[in-house]
Amino acid sequence: EDQVTQSPEALRLQEGESSSLNCSYTVSGLRGLFWYRQDPGKGPEFLFTLYSAGEEKEKERLKATLTKKESFLHITAPKPEDSATYLCAVRRNSNSGYALNFGKGTSLLVTP
Amino acid sequence: GAGVSQSPRYKVAKRGQDVALRCDPISGHVSLFWYQQALGQGPEFLTYFQNEAQLDKSGLPSDRFFAERPEGSVSTLKIQRTQQEDSAVYLCASSPLEETQYFGPGTRLLVL
Repeated sequence: EDQVTQSPEALRLQEGESSSLNCSYTVSGLRGLFWYRQDPGKGPEFLFTLYSAGEEKEKERLKATLTKKESFLHITAPKPEDSATYLCAVRRNSNSGYALNFGKGTSLLVTP
Repeated sequence: GAGVSQSPRYKVAKRGQDVALRCDPISGHVSLFWYQQALGQGPEFLTYFQNEAQLDKSGLPSDRFFAERPEGSVSTLKIQRTQQEDSAVYLCASSPLEETQYFGPGTRLLVL
């Protein structure tokens, strides 16, 4: 069965203090690994899709990387507005039209 | 452009009451998904529509949950005889076929 595990559960950083979030996955035949950002009271907002080991994508202070067993979301010089829950997901191996299996998320707090 | 919209945003129901949650997907999106998100957890798949066809309902937790998309656009998730364990945020997402899913803001359901 597909599994997605995110760590740490929560992370507190000072503004400018770079760090990485981890997403470990087990899936038979990866058909995409997704990163979403979720602010309190809102739906997940799409960030990145990665498809193959070695792939990297960047957006402002965020960079996502992928290996055969895990993905990292690197946050460089974060700002308070980067505070949110970051969700990782893989596509389900079923007839569910590429529905997603999510991890529990990492709650990031960036303090001034 | 308009994103995915959901209504109501908040719903308080008494145990045993029936509720109906509405999702308006992005215009032209073939795929529509419903997810349930408990507090502090990632979204969990409930059901998937391709146009008006419900192709996967394996995530629906009980036969009290029913979803429809009769004309291939707007979808309704109905929960009959609500229980306290149904309290959660219900998220709707839409996508062009096999592509990135875009989420609505969710409906927060509280069953008393």
